[in-house]
Amino acid sequence: DAKTTQPPSMDCAEGRAANLPCNHSTISGNEYVYWYRQIHSQGPQYIIHGLKNNETNEMASLIITEDRKSSTLILPHATLRDTAVYYCIVRVSNAGKSTFGDGTTLTVKP
Amino acid sequence: GAGVSQSPSNKVTEKGKDVELRCDPISGHTALYWYRQSLGQGLEFLIYFQGNSAPDKSGLPSDRFSAERTGGSVSTLTIQRTQQEDSAVYLCASSSLVNTGYEQYFGPGTRLTVT
Repeated sequence: DAKTTQPPSMDCAEGRAANLPCNHSTISGNEYVYWYRQIHSQGPQYIIHGLKNNETNEMASLIITEDRKSSTLILPHATLRDTAVYYCIVRVSNAGKSTFGDGTTLTVKP
Repeated sequence: GAGVSQSPSNKVTEKGKDVELRCDPISGHTALYWYRQSLGQGLEFLIYFQGNSAPDKSGLPSDRFSAERTGGSVSTLTIQRTQQEDSAVYLCASSSLVNTGYEQYFGPGTRLTVT
């Protein structure tokens, strides 16, 4: 699985958009970009994934650059409950293991 | 519907004892994963089951660790002769062939403390 690089921490004001970047410059053509988050003391929660097109669901939007070497997770209106560690992972869709890095600790402040 | 469940939620054991951790995946999910997370650390892959294929055991840290999945559903992770460094949260996840992206759904974890 390709390595990802994320900033260790970010702050966001409540109600504003949170934009979390991820670099994956060695991504292969058949690897997807996945995002998960982990709220303190809970198991990770799937958020969204994509291959090359931008994706949106009820939780977030995923913007993938045309060269696929980086992506951004967007939480359009962050709430205090969005405070969590956000993990960006790249993997072949049916691969077994996911390699979780250190992620980005997002703190949403009132 | 019901998510991934794990039991027990907490387990305290003495060094040298064996422990068994249980995972009930989402019904119909063909793939099952075990990870562990030490305090303040990221997730460490342990083992992966997919249908009737041989499991990927590449993440098991030693031969004291083993896992089985019976009937393609429930899985048990066994740690023999536990050591203090085994203390961690053990997380189970499952995913489905039906989902195009094989996104993983995680259980709440079992917090293991070895004293």
